[in-house]
Amino acid sequence: GQNIDQPTEMTATEGAIVQINCTYQTSGFNGLFWYQQHAGEAPTFLSYNVLDGLEEKGRFSSFLSRSKGYSYLLLKELQMKDSASYLCAVSRPYMDSNYQLIWGAGTKLIIKP
Amino acid sequence: GAGVSQSPSNKVTEKGKDVELRCDPISGHTALYWYRQSLGQGLEFLIYFQGNSAPDKSGLPSDRFSAERTGGSVSTLTIQRTQQEDSAVYLCASSPTVGFAETQYFGPGTRLLVL
Repeated sequence: GQNIDQPTEMTATEGAIVQINCTYQTSGFNGLFWYQQHAGEAPTFLSYNVLDGLEEKGRFSSFLSRSKGYSYLLLKELQMKDSASYLCAVSRPYMDSNYQLIWGAGTKLIIKP
Repeated sequence: GAGVSQSPSNKVTEKGKDVELRCDPISGHTALYWYRQSLGQGLEFLIYFQGNSAPDKSGLPSDRFSAERTGGSVSTLTIQRTQQEDSAVYLCASSPTVGFAETQYFGPGTRLLVL
């Protein structure tokens, strides 16, 4: 089966750095997404990795290792507004020319002053 | 509008009733997706549309669930004979095309409560 694992909840301090891990086991791999979802709101796109390595985008960076089935989202200089759930999703080939997006359950990040 | 819109934002219904949820994707987006999210859980894929056709209906939980899309735009998700376990947030998303690297843009969701 297809499986994505993320920690359920993490706590970090304002101004610090936090790393949210995601491991996946899927048959096929196209790329990996990270989305942010504030409580009661819709998910919004953060990053997409298709090649190994680190992609930096401001305070947020995302890393991928395809051989290890592993990704992480790195958040620097944490702000209170970063309190949210972070969803990892893997895109894989599916049904001929189609693809399927497999979603993790999300990691709830709590930022403390 | 500029984003994906969904209606109603909240729906309370009685067990056994039918409900219809609506999604208006971003104009010009050919791909449309329906998801279900239970409290504290991740996204559960239900169905997606490429234009007006639905290549993948594998996520629909039962034959009580159906969806259609007309004119390559608005989509409706219908749940017949609702059950209490259908209570969840139903999210709709759209993307410019169907592609494995396409970002999905989500609507605010419809919060369904079945009593």
